[in-house]
Amino acid sequence: AQSVAQPEDQVNVAEGNPLTVKCTYSVSGNPYLFWYVQYPNRGLQFLLKYITGDNLVKGSYGFEAEFNKSQTSFHLKKPSALVSDSALYFCAVRARISGNTPLVFGKGTRLSVIA
Amino acid sequence: GAVVSQHPSWVICKSGTSVKIECRSLDFQATTMFWYRQFPKQSLMLMATSNEGSKATYEQGVEKDKFLINHASLTLSTLTVTSAHPEDSSFYICSARGRGGASNEQFFGPGTRLTVL
Repeated sequence: AQSVAQPEDQVNVAEGNPLTVKCTYSVSGNPYLFWYVQYPNRGLQFLLKYITGDNLVKGSYGFEAEFNKSQTSFHLKKPSALVSDSALYFCAVRARISGNTPLVFGKGTRLSVIA
Repeated sequence: GAVVSQHPSWVICKSGTSVKIECRSLDFQATTMFWYRQFPKQSLMLMATSNEGSKATYEQGVEKDKFLINHASLTLSTLTVTSAHPEDSSFYICSARGRGGASNEQFFGPGTRLTVL
């Protein structure tokens, strides 16, 4: 079975500082990994994904994530946080199998960027 | 990116009534659609997966007779909450994926907030 762990419910960071939102996963075989962001009362917006290739993935709004197979992690990072980055972030995984496998989400991490 | 719309964005209904939520893929053909439910401050919980023209596959613990899902075309899926009760109040989010397999991105609708009085 697939699962995603986001160990931090809340991450606080000062504006301009680097941020990291942690994610580890469990899946049979190699994974497809995703990060989404959710603003209040809104649906999810895609940030980035890892399918294959370079372990460092760059996405929207200056975010990036690094796939680490040995640690089964896919932490989200940004070099310099903005107040507007404050939102709920979800990590998701999907197994590389055929069929209609859905995304399985972590519980989410609330990021608060303080001016 | 591709756009998925949901209608209505919010709905308030009386206990015992039924509510239909529509999910549309606006600029691509959604061979697979997913329905999620999100409680306050919690993650998205998958309710069911549906393919165009076939019956939905429900996750364990989700009552298929209560949450009716229809995926009648490649651009439309509906979720009907039948005989709604206050405990059905939640944020419902649909997601759609086009052809191309599991590496394809899932696009999410903006969600529908259901409040059952």
